[in-house]
Amino acid sequence: GENVEQHPSTLSVQEGDSAVIKCTYSDSASNYFPWYKQELGKGPQLIIDIRSNVGEKKDQRIAVTLNKTAKHFSLHITETQPEDSAVYFCAAIKSGYALNFGKGTSLLVTP
Amino acid sequence: DTAVSQTPKYLVTQMGNDKSIKCEQNLGHDTMYWYKQDSKKFLKIMFSYNNKELIINETVPNRFSPKSPDKAHLNLHINSLELGDSAVYFCASSQSSANPLHFGNGTRLTVT
Repeated sequence: GENVEQHPSTLSVQEGDSAVIKCTYSDSASNYFPWYKQELGKGPQLIIDIRSNVGEKKDQRIAVTLNKTAKHFSLHITETQPEDSAVYFCAAIKSGYALNFGKGTSLLVTP
Repeated sequence: DTAVSQTPKYLVTQMGNDKSIKCEQNLGHDTMYWYKQDSKKFLKIMFSYNNKELIINETVPNRFSPKSPDKAHLNLHINSLELGDSAVYFCASSQSSANPLHFGNGTRLTVT
């Protein structure tokens, strides 16, 4: 099955700095790559996603890049704010299967 | 309106008991899932149903039995609970695979 590796497991940045989280996947047939944010006591919420026919996608302060050849994708958060502090998960899937998640990155943004 | 709602939010029970967690989605999605999140926050797929039919059944003990009475509901019944079953269980739904998942807020199960 699909194996998703995520790094780093913890990340601490100062408010206003950028944060980057990286993931790799094993199955070249994977075609959908979402990113989720999980706040304490809540379920994961989708923040951005990208499909395999696109190399980059941006939504305000959040961007995702995908390198299909290298089988890795990254989340970029610019101008971080304290409310960005949460656990972030990458995931990968191919059609007909279920999402496989990375092990999560705990992001702390300090004022 | 809550899109994916699961009950109860907290469940504390003793080893050997049987318990159920209920999940309902009002998004009109065809596919529903159960995920288990362990103490290290790792999210692992347990089951997936599409339009009331089981399509994914990962290596989960037979003590766990999902039931989907209709495509808006997916319940999870657990027999003979063990200490290792303690975790947060998340229900989710999506229009189909390879589409965004919408998660409930989880059920924290504690087995003593």
